[in-house]
Amino acid sequence: DTEVTQTPKHLVMGMTNKKSLKCEQHMGHRAMYWYKQKAKKPPELMFVYSYEKLSINESVPSRFSPECPNSSLLNLHLHALQPEDSALYLCASRHEARATTGELFFGEGSRLTVL
Amino acid sequence: DQQVKQNSPSLSVQEGRISILNCDYTNSMFDYFLWYKKYPAEGPTFLISISSIKDKNEDGRFTVFLNKSAKHLSLHIVPSQPGDSAVYFCAASTTSGTYKYIFGTGTRLKVLA
Repeated sequence: DTEVTQTPKHLVMGMTNKKSLKCEQHMGHRAMYWYKQKAKKPPELMFVYSYEKLSINESVPSRFSPECPNSSLLNLHLHALQPEDSALYLCASRHEARATTGELFFGEGSRLTVL
Repeated sequence: DQQVKQNSPSLSVQEGRISILNCDYTNSMFDYFLWYKKYPAEGPTFLISISSIKDKNEDGRFTVFLNKSAKHLSLHIVPSQPGDSAVYFCAASTTSGTYKYIFGTGTRLKVLA
C-alpha cells in the first residue's frame, strides 16, 4: 500500500461552520505534512508532525487546528474560515527514518470552498 | 520571500525532443532537492531527487543536474512524451532536523505530438 488517502475530496462550508479534513497512510511513515495550494501557486507548508508530535507550524492562523491521533492518521480541523482560505489542501507523508531518500508521498488533496 | 524559484511558467516541446526545466534557490542550507509532477486535481507525484553530494542523478528518461555554486538545478526529460504534459515543481529541503520541503512556483510543460 503506497497511498495517502484524503477525505473528503471536496468540501463546501460557510464561515461559521466547523469541519475536518482527514488523511490516512498505512506505509509506516512517521512524518506527516499539511500543505495548502492556491491556483497557479506552489504548495505552501502549513504543519509537520514527526512521531505524532507537532514539529513545525508555519505561523498558520488558529482557525486551522491540526491533530495527529496516531501514526497513520492526520486531521485538520477547520473553524471560522474566511473565503480566502479556499484552496486545495494536500496531505503528505515521509518515512522519517530513511535518511538516504526523503521523498514526500502526497494524497490527491481536499478541495475546500469557503462561502 | 520565494526561496525556490522556477522562472519559466510554461514550456512547449515537440514529442521526442528534450525538455529542460530549471529551478533556482537562494538558501545555501538546502542540501536535498526533488522534482514532482502534478496533474490537475491530483496530488504531486515524486519523480526524482538529488543530494547535494552529487551533481547528477538519472532515472530512466529523467536526469537531474545540480550546480551548487550557482544554486541551480535542472530536470532533463529525454525523449519527451505527450504523457509528460503536466506542471513540474522543484522542491528543496535541508537534511538536518525535520525535513521542511519548500516548493518552487512550477513550470507547465506541454509536449506536442
